[in-house]
Amino acid sequence: DQQVKQNSPSLSVQEGRISILNCDYTNSMFDYFLWYKKYPAEGPTFLISISSIKDKNEDGRFTVFLNKSAKHLSLHIVPSQPGDSAVYFCAASASEDMRFGAGTRLTVKP
Amino acid sequence: DTGVSQNPRHKITKRGQNVTFRCDPISEHNRLYWYRQTLGQGPEFLTYFQNEAQLEKSRLLSDRFSAERPKGSFSTLEIQRTEQGDSAMYLCASSLEGPISPPLHFGNGTRLTVT
Repeated sequence: DQQVKQNSPSLSVQEGRISILNCDYTNSMFDYFLWYKKYPAEGPTFLISISSIKDKNEDGRFTVFLNKSAKHLSLHIVPSQPGDSAVYFCAASASEDMRFGAGTRLTVKP
Repeated sequence: DTGVSQNPRHKITKRGQNVTFRCDPISEHNRLYWYRQTLGQGPEFLTYFQNEAQLEKSRLLSDRFSAERPKGSFSTLEIQRTEQGDSAMYLCASSLEGPISPPLHFGNGTRLTVT
């Protein structure tokens, strides 16, 4: 059962523009959400997170938005840079149980 | 902080052989997790340790899989009688407490190919 879904396998944006990556979840018990970034031949690295008691968390160029009623979260990257090109995984957690989405490959073109 | 180290980086084996992977977590981290990632999918939880105690195993972890963390430091994941369906990237991660705060630190993984 896929409790965390990233429906866009890939996204391509121009350098300097906004990248918006989306994630949907089905389990209402999830109370913490994270985004990880993965470069080829490396493990995922933590990017940004948000608790279910918030609807927005910002860290520099990265902002995560959470819409609990829609069970939807999104990651905004502004402005996008070529170095942001990677696979982005959404993850959701309920206590010890953390589930990952299938990932979205972001390509930022110079 | 030298990061999470996994060895080997790549392993090619024939179906039916046994393989063992090693993970060295960040030294002060109590929690150690194993995940499996197949092509086009996100990491899937396999098992985790709190110090030397294995506290949870996913139903994905068949009885051909066994994990240990003797002395609460490094961990090994063994797969017996490998099958082609075991081909995947095996990721190890560690953290101070749970999986979210602070977040998991992942190693670079061991890619297993079963021929």
